[in-house]
Amino acid sequence: EAGVAQSPRYKIIEKRQSVAFWCNPISGHATLYWYQQILGQGPKLLIQFQNNGVVDDSQLPKDRFSAERLKGVDSTLKIQPAKLEDSAVYLCASSLARGGIGTQYFGPGTRLLVL
Amino acid sequence: QKEVEQNSGPLSVPEGAIASLNCTYSDRGSQSFFWYRQYSGKSPELIMFIYSNGDKEDGRFTAQLNKASQYVSLLIRDSQPSDSATYLCAAVYNFNKFYFGSGTKLNVKP
Repeated sequence: EAGVAQSPRYKIIEKRQSVAFWCNPISGHATLYWYQQILGQGPKLLIQFQNNGVVDDSQLPKDRFSAERLKGVDSTLKIQPAKLEDSAVYLCASSLARGGIGTQYFGPGTRLLVL
Repeated sequence: QKEVEQNSGPLSVPEGAIASLNCTYSDRGSQSFFWYRQYSGKSPELIMFIYSNGDKEDGRFTAQLNKASQYVSLLIRDSQPSDSATYLCAAVYNFNKFYFGSGTKLNVKP
């Protein structure tokens, strides 16, 4: 079974530029998560999708971050404009759970450096 | 606010010893708890989860849950240098929302 795919793996941009990350979850997984992990910290949830609907985006900085999940499969996370403090690893995870408890499986992450 | 607290470490244990990793959570509404291992520069990978009070064993790993004390722990028996990593504890709430701690760094010395 293929795992969660993410691209790009690394990205370096200058502040005020825009950037987009892509995630393809494990086939059949209804729930998709985007996390931000700053060095030395645990993953922080940015947004959670159930199929193509948003379950939780309370910690998403909506003035600069946006996310969508087209047709309940792939997802993109965009930052526009980027700030220095956005430098982090952006992790995508997916889960089979449809309301109950389900294990999350993580993709390899995208390492973003904002200069 | 749903908070998950972990000692950042590093926790150093000799090879072959038992490593004990601890986690506390603030909100009693959590339904289950997950332990993930994260090697430097890699993404988290699942070790095990627990949702009932008591112990749950999986190979060299044992998870312990005490809901009255809001306390979760992970024991690693016969620790190996390859176990050196950061261990993340996560509390799970309604709609499968995961709240992660900041992780404990474990060093297993040969």
